[in-house]
Amino acid sequence: GNSVTQMEGPVTLSEEAFLTINCTYTATGYPSLFWYVQYPGEGLQLLLKATKADDKGSNKGFEATYRKETTSFHLEKGSVQVSDSAVYFCASLSGGYNKLIFGAGTRLAVHP
Amino acid sequence: GAVVSQHPSWVICKSGTSVKIECRSLDFQATTMFWYRQFPKQSLMLMATSNEGSKATYEQGVEKDKFLINHASLTLSTLTVTSAHPEDSSFYICSAPPPGGYSGANVLTFGAGSRLTVL
Repeated sequence: GNSVTQMEGPVTLSEEAFLTINCTYTATGYPSLFWYVQYPGEGLQLLLKATKADDKGSNKGFEATYRKETTSFHLEKGSVQVSDSAVYFCASLSGGYNKLIFGAGTRLAVHP
Repeated sequence: GAVVSQHPSWVICKSGTSVKIECRSLDFQATTMFWYRQFPKQSLMLMATSNEGSKATYEQGVEKDKFLINHASLTLSTLTVTSAHPEDSSFYICSAPPPGGYSGANVLTFGAGSRLTVL
């Protein structure tokens, strides 16, 4: 079946460091791909998405490119801030919303 | 934007008791809501789809009699963990489709989650 694998955390970075969180997927066909973020005490929020190969999703300085050839959707940010500390979830969607599949989540901690 | 509220955010109960978790869509109607469960350091796993006016649809392996779901109105779905045991301790999250329903551009709105600890 479909699955999403993302790198284990926690990821600990200093402010202004470069961030990469790896995400790969397995799916039948070409799913839509998402990155969600969960700040402490809050619900999951959509960070960015891509619906087809080579699409690049971007938001708040974060970017991820849908790579069909490597079945990946890695999240990147050039310069992280303390306020980016959160848990990040990669997800894929094939069909209805009851088919949304999440990765295990990666906790990011950014220190001043 | 659309907001989904969950209550309680944290509950501790004794083994054998039942616990009810509420999921409300604020300022919009949701005929469908989704309930997820998340174990520590693991993915969110879809447990069931809650349908207003009809029975919930459970995912394979989820005990219907253990996890009772009632979609009481267009803005409220409840998950009741019956006769809870320590292995039911987990983080439960609900979500709802946005106003206007599904489309490629619309995404789910998630609640903040409810952490259940069964002693």
